[in-house]
This record gives sequence, C-alpha cells and structure tokens, in this order.
Amino acid sequence: AQSVDQPDAHVTLSEGASLELRCSYSYSAAPYLFWYVQYPGQSLQFLLKYITGDTVVKGTKGFEAEFRKSNSSFNLKKSPAHWSDSAKYFCALEGTGNTGKLIFGLGTTLQVQP
Amino acid sequence: NAGVIQTPRHKVTGKGQEATLWCEPISGHSAVFWYRQTIVQGLEFLTYFRNQAPIDDSGMPKERFSAQMPNQSHSTLKIQSTQPQDSAVYLCASSLEPNTEVFFGKGTRLTVV
Repeated sequence: AQSVDQPDAHVTLSEGASLELRCSYSYSAAPYLFWYVQYPGQSLQFLLKYITGDTVVKGTKGFEAEFRKSNSSFNLKKSPAHWSDSAKYFCALEGTGNTGKLIFGLGTTLQVQP
Repeated sequence: NAGVIQTPRHKVTGKGQEATLWCEPISGHSAVFWYRQTIVQGLEFLTYFRNQAPIDDSGMPKERFSAQMPNQSHSTLKIQSTQPQDSAVYLCASSLEPNTEVFFGKGTRLTVV
C-alpha cells in the first residue's frame, strides 16, 4: 500500500530558527515525492519535487528537502524561517503507474512567530 | 495565465439536491485531477482524466459522484442527492504530464445543509 505520513500536525518556532518538517512514505518502488504549501485561503502551491538523482533538492521560497531511502523520509527544511512561511505544508507521493496522481499526507501547520 | 479556474467558489445545497462543480484547467495541460479536502480526511484523490479520457476514478464514491470532461477546456464534477458528509472543499488540478508540477485551483467549498 502507498501512504504518506506527516507525524507533526503542528509546528511552532521563532523567526530566524531553522525549520524541518518531517515526512515519511510507504511505497515498494522508487518514489516520486513532492512538497506543496497552502497559505490561508489559497490553493496549494508547488514547492519542490524529487524524481531521481541528487538526494537534496532545492525548491521555491528558499526551501529544500532531502530524500533518504534508508528510512523512507523526505523532510522539508529551511533556514532561517520567516514569519511569512506560516502555512500548511503537504508532503505527497506520486502513485503507482506514473500517472501524476498524488497521495498526500495530512499536512503540517507551521506557525513562525515574529 | 489565470491558472486553474474553479466555479463557483462557494456552494450551499440542501440535503438531497444535486451539485455541479466546474473546472477550467490550464490551457495545454493534458491531465486533470479532482481532489476533496476535509479537516478529518485531508486531501483525497477522486478522479483523473488524461487527454479528456477518464483514467482512474478509484477515489469516487460510486453511487452519487460522477465526473466528465467533454472538451479540453473544462471538466465537471457532479454530486447527486448530496449528503452532509459531502461537505468539503473540492479541488481541481491540472498538469502537463506525469512527474511535473500539478497546479491546483482555489477550490469550491461545498456545504450541504
């Protein structure tokens, strides 16, 4: 079965700190992994993706993520965090068949305090 | 590029009524997806079209939900006999091809009273 787990429903930190949002996945084949962000009242926006190659991928808004096959993780990172990063972040796995269909985690709500 | 356009943004229906949601994907995108977002279930895949053909509707509740894509510029999601548990934000999305960025619309918030 394919699934994505984001174990932290909420993360709060101070502006200037480093942020790391956790994501783990379950998938028998080579995964295609994505991070999306949703600001209040807005639609989901693409941040970055891992398809193959370099295990550290850089995305928009200064974010990066590291793919670790050893523990099936794809954590999102940024340093330093800014108050404008406050939003809900979703990790996603592209499902079987290379269709573009995404399986999402439940999301992590990030609050960055000024 | 106006992005993926969904109408209406908000819809309130009475229990048992029909609701039709509209989506205009980004021009040139071959794949169109429908998802449902709720607090409890998160983002759930409903159905997927590629080049207007239905490919995967494994997430659709079979009895009351249907989706169509009559032309490359719009798709509809129809819910018959709406129930309170259908209340959610329905998101339409499109992409050029697999493994590429999926662009999401702002969603239609459906409330069944």
